[in-house]
Amino acid sequence: GEDVEQSLFLSVREGDSSVINCTYTDSSSTYLYWYKQEPGAGLQLLTYIFSNMDMKQDQRLTVLLNKKDKHLSLRIADTQTGDSAIYFCAEKGNNRLAFGKGNQVVVIP
Amino acid sequence: ETGVTQSPTHLIKTRGQQVTLRCSSQSGHNTVSWYQQALGQGPQFIFQYYREEENGRGNFPPRFSGLQFPNYSSELNVNALELDDSALYLCASSLADTEAFFGQGTRLTVV
Repeated sequence: GEDVEQSLFLSVREGDSSVINCTYTDSSSTYLYWYKQEPGAGLQLLTYIFSNMDMKQDQRLTVLLNKKDKHLSLRIADTQTGDSAIYFCAEKGNNRLAFGKGNQVVVIP
Repeated sequence: ETGVTQSPTHLIKTRGQQVTLRCSSQSGHNTVSWYQQALGQGPQFIFQYYREEENGRGNFPPRFSGLQFPNYSSELNVNALELDDSALYLCASSLADTEAFFGQGTRLTVV
């Protein structure tokens, strides 16, 4: 089954790096995603990684995938105030996305 | 902007009433999925429509139903509303099994 877990809260100073972690249980997931949600808004797709990859870098974002431990992380370099949001990881399986509860990131100026 | 639009943005209904939420998918996308996001939670999959047919359903009762039209827009209908149906309802469109892009959501409050 699908069961995605995330830690809840992260506070980071502007300019520092942020790391958000996620674990998932469905080893048959083909894609794993990171979404960003700002207050009162929908979900913005940030990046994704295919399950046969270990790492993907996209500008300030780095995704690491440890398939053995079913662990996914998102690193945001040079965190900006506009990065303050809730971040959701999601795994894809059976035509649906299974989301974690989200991790709130607060950037302190 | 994702090109996925949802209406209305906010809605207040009374317990027992029925509600219809609408979603216009991104141009070229033939698949629409609906999610319910309760306060403080991650989105939960309700169902998906692909080329006007239901293509998967989550753990939601039959009073949650949907439609997809020939232009691939979609509706979510909820009958006999309950207080616990209060949530942000998100629509996502995709081209078959590719990445999904979400609309801004409809905030439903049941009183």
